[in-house]
Amino acid sequence: SQTIHQWPATLVQPVGSPLSLECTVEGTSNPNLYWYRQAAGRGLQLLFYSVGIGQISSEVPQNLSASRPQDRQFILSSKKLLLSDSGFYLCAWSVWGLDEKLFFGSGTQLSVL
Amino acid sequence: GQQVMQIPQYQHVQEGEDFTTYCNSSTTLSNIQWYKQRPGGHPVFLIQLVKSGEVKKQKRLTFQFGEAKKNSSLHITATQTTDVGTYFCAASYNFNKFYFGSGTKLNVKP
Repeated sequence: SQTIHQWPATLVQPVGSPLSLECTVEGTSNPNLYWYRQAAGRGLQLLFYSVGIGQISSEVPQNLSASRPQDRQFILSSKKLLLSDSGFYLCAWSVWGLDEKLFFGSGTQLSVL
Repeated sequence: GQQVMQIPQYQHVQEGEDFTTYCNSSTTLSNIQWYKQRPGGHPVFLIQLVKSGEVKKQKRLTFQFGEAKKNSSLHITATQTTDVGTYFCAASYNFNKFYFGSGTKLNVKP
């Protein structure tokens, strides 16, 4: 069966520090991968989307970047965090032909202080 | 990015009352999905609608996709306390990237 792992669950970082969040998917091949951000009590904002290794689509110009070094690995990074980067970050995957439904990881609560 | 509007933002109901949340897009959608997020959790897929005018039911939940494929609704009949959570629509314009509505937070009083 397919599983998605996202870590860490919580993270407190000072302004100006770097960020690396990792997401891995098991049990499926060539998934579509997504990074979403959810501000407190708000909806999910699509940040990045990837259909394959090295293929990243950025949805919103910002302080963040994403990379996909392996088929089932998706990394969200920042060189210097801003206060506005705080939020709940969710990784998700989908595959063609499976209703394209999104399967979400458990999320990372990031607080930038 | 694309935007989809979802209303209402909050809904407080007495157990047994009905509940409806609506999503609207200014652009024709390819498909729309609905998700439920429990407090402290991550969104969980409920259903996908693809065809114009499509109606799908899951027990007490009824999902509709508008004839013009620009709007959708989720209706819950006779709410229960287990229905508490935030309901999101997720709209797609090309069957891959999904843009979420702002969500409707449902609170059910026993």
